[in-house]
Amino acid sequence: QVQLQESGPGLVKPSQTLSLTCTVSGGSISSGSYYWSWIRQPAGKGLEWIGRIYTSGSTNYNPSLKSRVTISVDTSKNQFSLKLSSVTAADTAVYYCARDSLAGTYDYWGQGTLVTVSS
Amino acid sequence: DIQMTQSPSSLSASVGDRVTITCRASQSISSYLNWYQQKPGKAPKLLIYAASSLQSGVPSRFSGSGSGTDFTLTISSLQPEDFATYYCQQSYSTPPTFGPGTKVDIK
Repeated sequence: QVQLQESGPGLVKPSQTLSLTCTVSGGSISSGSYYWSWIRQPAGKGLEWIGRIYTSGSTNYNPSLKSRVTISVDTSKNQFSLKLSSVTAADTAVYYCARDSLAGTYDYWGQGTLVTVSS
Repeated sequence: DIQMTQSPSSLSASVGDRVTITCRASQSISSYLNWYQQKPGKAPKLLIYAASSLQSGVPSRFSGSGSGTDFTLTISSLQPEDFATYYCQQSYSTPPTFGPGTKVDIK
């Protein structure tokens, strides 16, 4: 059974860079034809796709965030990571990592981690 | 970006009721439509993919239909564990986008 777990600071100061890591267990991140995605959800609001990475390193980002987002993968650690630069209060949200099994179908999710942007 | 809308935004229902939620895309997305269930404090759970395919392990009381721009999620007999928020999501084009959600609560 594949499991995903997000980790990283829960509090980030405005203008700084948010950094999160997703650790995948129960299977190799390199096996199968999967993308690995980041999705966020502000409190009481809907879901926003941030971007995804293939194990080859190929990435796609949401145009609304593209200038600030970097997603990378470390296959040796079975992890992928998110960096979001120049954060503001609008970036406060629960951040989820997820497996993309069928070009945009998310079948496994992490439990989510709340990141608050505040000084 | 493709815009997704859902109706109703919320509904109240009783155990055993048949519940229908509608999702509409701003342009045709063929059958590239997924449905998720989310309970408070939890991650979304995939219920239906490709408009009508039931994800493994999901009870058969859940079903999906539609193609093009109009889609439906139906719960044939609402159970206590089904009270949650339901989201549709298009996987036709990047960026994938989600509907605003439909909250199903107890009447």
